[in-house]
Amino acid sequence: EVQLVESGGGLVQPGRSLRLSCTASENTFDNFALHWVRQAPGKGLEWVSGISWNSGVIDYADSVKGRFTISRDDAKNSLYLQMSNLKTEDTALYYCVKAILYCNDGVCYDSWGQGTQVTVSS
Amino acid sequence: AIQLTQSPSSLSASVGDRVTITCRASQAIGTDVGWYQQKSGKAPNLLIYDASNLQSGVPSRFSGSGSGTDFALTISSLQPEDFATYYCLQDSNFPFTFGPGTKVDIK
Repeated sequence: EVQLVESGGGLVQPGRSLRLSCTASENTFDNFALHWVRQAPGKGLEWVSGISWNSGVIDYADSVKGRFTISRDDAKNSLYLQMSNLKTEDTALYYCVKAILYCNDGVCYDSWGQGTQVTVSS
Repeated sequence: AIQLTQSPSSLSASVGDRVTITCRASQAIGTDVGWYQQKSGKAPNLLIYDASNLQSGVPSRFSGSGSGTDFALTISSLQPEDFATYYCLQDSNFPFTFGPGTKVDIK
């Protein structure tokens, strides 16, 4: 089973930047869209950003648009989220997700990491 | 962005009960909806995709229905391991959006 491992989280002051990474245990990112989903403490899930298999389609939640940038490097089996001008409301557990809701011929490729914690506080 | 609402926001039920959670979209999205189960401290787990298709390995007591704007997740006979929070997600259009969640706990 593919394992996704997020890293790069931590405690950061408001207004600062942070870069999250997600690495797959094997070469399985090819041909799949990748996403970041976050969950604030005690709150629900929020889709943050997604990138298509060829990076041709990228989008963001309104709450992060203009501040976050998603990118991928399939040669390194890696997904990134560059977060700038961080706000206290960005405090959350950030999940890396491969192929969210994507299933084909009865096989689902939806796979989640365990998350990396980002805390924005002065 | 497409908004998803879920009802109820929480419910208390007993083992063996039939439970139905609904999800309503702010505009028609065909069958581009999935359902996730999340237990405390764990990543979400996909139960249903394309509104009514059961993910492999998910017990058959889970079922999904609906199309357009109205969707439902039904658990036919609630089991102890089903106490969790359930989320719908639409992948019809970017930005994708989750419903606010429904917490199912023990009566």
